[in-house]
Amino acid sequence: DTEVTQTPKHLVMGMTNKKSLKCEQHMGHRAMYWYKQKAKKPPELMFVYSYEKLSINESVPSRFSPECPNSSLLNLHLHALQPEDSALYLCASSHIQGAGSYGYTFGSGTRLTVV
Amino acid sequence: GQQVMQIPQYQHVQEGEDFTTYCNSSTTLSNIQWYKQRPGGHPVFLIQLVKSGEVKKQKRLTFQFGEAKKNSSLHITATQTTDVGTYFCAVNYGGSQGNLIFGKGTKLSVKP
Repeated sequence: DTEVTQTPKHLVMGMTNKKSLKCEQHMGHRAMYWYKQKAKKPPELMFVYSYEKLSINESVPSRFSPECPNSSLLNLHLHALQPEDSALYLCASSHIQGAGSYGYTFGSGTRLTVV
Repeated sequence: GQQVMQIPQYQHVQEGEDFTTYCNSSTTLSNIQWYKQRPGGHPVFLIQLVKSGEVKKQKRLTFQFGEAKKNSSLHITATQTTDVGTYFCAVNYGGSQGNLIFGKGTKLSVKP
């Protein structure tokens, strides 16, 4: 099983709604990530989880709340979003090596529209 | 902030022509990764370069890491329509913590 599964694939939500994005991997990766990608732009790092602990938060507004319940799951809780938050939200995972780096495996993303 | 510059932004080629995208940094990099994102798709990891002067090949794709580890390139020989997409370089600034920052990407279109 060499993939990252994201649900839902598409989501339309109002500015007062609360919703959650889900991500799952069974590759034994202990690092998981959330990225945001706007059209015609590169992915932008939002959060990094390392061994289920939040290690990087790239100054993301509090209306985005990540959660890592276990080593296979990563959630992104959304509340009171703005239309400018509409984007493709990508989950990724990778191995962790002491001082090294591995390629990331990305999910197919959740395309979010805030109305 | 930390960033790597990638050029060109767009490249239109005739099928069979070669294609090259370049990434440049003002600081020495510990590593560089390359990803491909097809239209409507998600980034797919292609390769990682770590050593100074490293050259790696994957079929028609050739990846290079500069001697000073400040630049890298991806070259595609004899492009095919299946090569269409955006190619990103990315640098992991966080080591084991993971802080992968992407270049702006080069969008490749191939005319049959």
